[in-house]
Amino acid sequence: AQSVSQHNHHVILSEAASLELGCNYSYGGTVNLFWYVQYPGQHLQLLLKYFSGDPLVKGIKGFEAEFIKSKFSFNLRKPSVQWSDTAEYFCAVNAGNDMRFGAGTRLTVKP
Amino acid sequence: DAGVIQSPRHEVTEMGQEVTLRCKPISGHDYLFWYRQTMMRGLELLIYFNNNVPIDDSGMPEDRFSAKMPNASFSTLKIQPSEPRDSAVYFCASSFKVSGEQYFGPGTRLTVT
Repeated sequence: AQSVSQHNHHVILSEAASLELGCNYSYGGTVNLFWYVQYPGQHLQLLLKYFSGDPLVKGIKGFEAEFIKSKFSFNLRKPSVQWSDTAEYFCAVNAGNDMRFGAGTRLTVKP
Repeated sequence: DAGVIQSPRHEVTEMGQEVTLRCKPISGHDYLFWYRQTMMRGLELLIYFNNNVPIDDSGMPEDRFSAKMPNASFSTLKIQPSEPRDSAVYFCASSFKVSGEQYFGPGTRLTVT
């Protein structure tokens, strides 16, 4: 069955640390890829998306993600996190009419 | 545009009661999605519509759940009868295309006692 895996359930970092959140998917064909963020008490918002072209995608707030087709991965990165990045991060994959979200990774940034 | 609108924002009800959650998608979006979010199960897709027609309801947990979209600007998710395990945050989202960016509403936090 198609699936989206986020291996890190909870990540705790200090401010200024670098971040990488993993996302792997099992779809074999063409996919569209997304990262959403949910700040405490708020709804999901789009961070960045990949449809085609440059596999390194830059999003808002200094986030970026790299699509590695051979690894079926779309990992999210940020070189230096801030306390305000504390949130839950969801990877999502669309293939045709199928849209699936990962289970989410909770990021806690300590001031 | 005001974005996706959901009501109510909070709902507290007793077990056995009927609960109706409402959603107004962004004007012009052809797709509408209902999600449920819990600590245990994360974000689950319940059902989605295209041009008011239900396309995939395989995520609807059981017959107690039903969803309708009578027109392009309104959808409901109904739980009858409600149970404590239905307690969750229910999100509605809409998009231009099924493959496109989804715009989420603020959610309805449902508590069934």
